[in-house]
Amino acid sequence: GAVVSQHPSWVICKSGTSVKIECRSLDFQATTMFWYRQFPKKSLMLMATSNEGSKATYEQGVEKDKFLINHASLTLSTLTVTSAHPEDSSFYICSAPELSGLAYEQYFGPGTRLTVT
Amino acid sequence: TQLLEQSPQFLSIQEGENLTVYCNSSSVFSSLQWYRQEPGEGPVLLVTVVTGGEVKKLKRLTFQFGDARKDSSLHITAAQPGDTGLYLCAGYAGGTSYGKLTFGQGTILTVHP
Repeated sequence: GAVVSQHPSWVICKSGTSVKIECRSLDFQATTMFWYRQFPKKSLMLMATSNEGSKATYEQGVEKDKFLINHASLTLSTLTVTSAHPEDSSFYICSAPELSGLAYEQYFGPGTRLTVT
Repeated sequence: TQLLEQSPQFLSIQEGENLTVYCNSSSVFSSLQWYRQEPGEGPVLLVTVVTGGEVKKLKRLTFQFGDARKDSSLHITAAQPGDTGLYLCAGYAGGTSYGKLTFGQGTILTVHP
């Protein structure tokens, strides 16, 4: 099946710095990718829809200037957490859908653990 | 906004017991998916149900999609410690053209030996 990778798998940064997380579709093209945030023992919370060649669509309550999304190619979307603070520490996951017959198959990345000190 | 209500949120049982997780909505979904997630990893797809009334089996796991395509259930028979994890239901709303998933709140299952 299709594979989505994320890099890095974990990152520790100091408060005030910016961190970039990459999401790649390895063997298929993804015009759309999704970014989620997940707190411990909680479900995935959709942050934004990343659209290739156009602006991302952010969910209500998500600061677009805080979480910058760039979808520069059909296989790569990046999420940059700007001026990170400890409350931004979380598990970030991306996914990419691929239409298969009547239903979408959603391929998830392995996630990135961000810790802001 | 289409919501998926998943219950229970926590389930702690002994090895060998049976359990059912429910996923309900007032909205119709074109398909529903069930995922299992281990700590520190991405969700792994277990099954996709598309047709109302559909029942799918995956070894000891049985998945059902409601006739009206508004609800789904996951039943595990004779649970084992290896079934421990976070179970998530997620659905694609009718008319969605770009694969946006709506997730339930998740069920943390712990199976004790």
